Amino acid sequence: GNSVTQMEGPVTLSEEAFLTINCTYTATGYPSLFWYVQYPGEGLQLLLKATKADDKGSNKGFEATYRKETTSFHLEKGSVQVSDSAVYFCALSDKGTGKLIFGQGTTLQVKP
Amino acid sequence: DTGVSQNPRHKITKRGQNVTFRCDPISEHNRLYWYRQTLGQGPEFLTYFQNEAQLEKSRLLSDRFSAERPKGSFSTLEIQRTEQGDSAMYLCASSSSGQGKIISAFFGQGTRLTVV
Repeated sequence: GNSVTQMEGPVTLSEEAFLTINCTYTATGYPSLFWYVQYPGEGLQLLLKATKADDKGSNKGFEATYRKETTSFHLEKGSVQVSDSAVYFCALSDKGTGKLIFGQGTTLQVKP
Repeated sequence: DTGVSQNPRHKITKRGQNVTFRCDPISEHNRLYWYRQTLGQGPEFLTYFQNEAQLEKSRLLSDRFSAERPKGSFSTLEIQRTEQGDSAMYLCASSSSGQGKIISAFFGQGTRLTVV
């Protein structure tokens, strides 16, 4: 069945460091791919998405590219801020039903 | 529109009691999803509706769980005879579909259930 695997956390970085959170997936067909973020005490928010191979999703300085050949959708940001501290979830969506399959989440802690 | 709204935000119940949660989706969205999230894990799909029709249920949704969306607007999720293993965050999300496209899902803030 479909699944998503994320790198384990927590990831601890200093402010302005480069961020990569790895995400790989297993799926039949060509799902849409997402990154959701959950800030402390808040609900899940859509961060970015890509709907087909080679698409790049971007938002708030974060980027991820849909790589079909490596079945990956790694999240990157060039310079993290303390306010980026949160839990990040990679997910894929069944295009027929729209239901999401999530990875286990990666906690990011950014220190000043 | 204020987004997806879930009530209550927190619920503490004794084992064996029944509980019901409510989700009000974004008004123009025809699809509504329920997920369960336990500590340190990603959300897991439970069930979804398109308008008032419940189209898919996960194996996670035991016979003690029932969900409804009577008029294709708000939805309720009921858990009967709660068990300690039901303690989790229950998330609702909504999206719209049409012309072969599905709009990204928007999530509510969840209902945290604690069974004591």
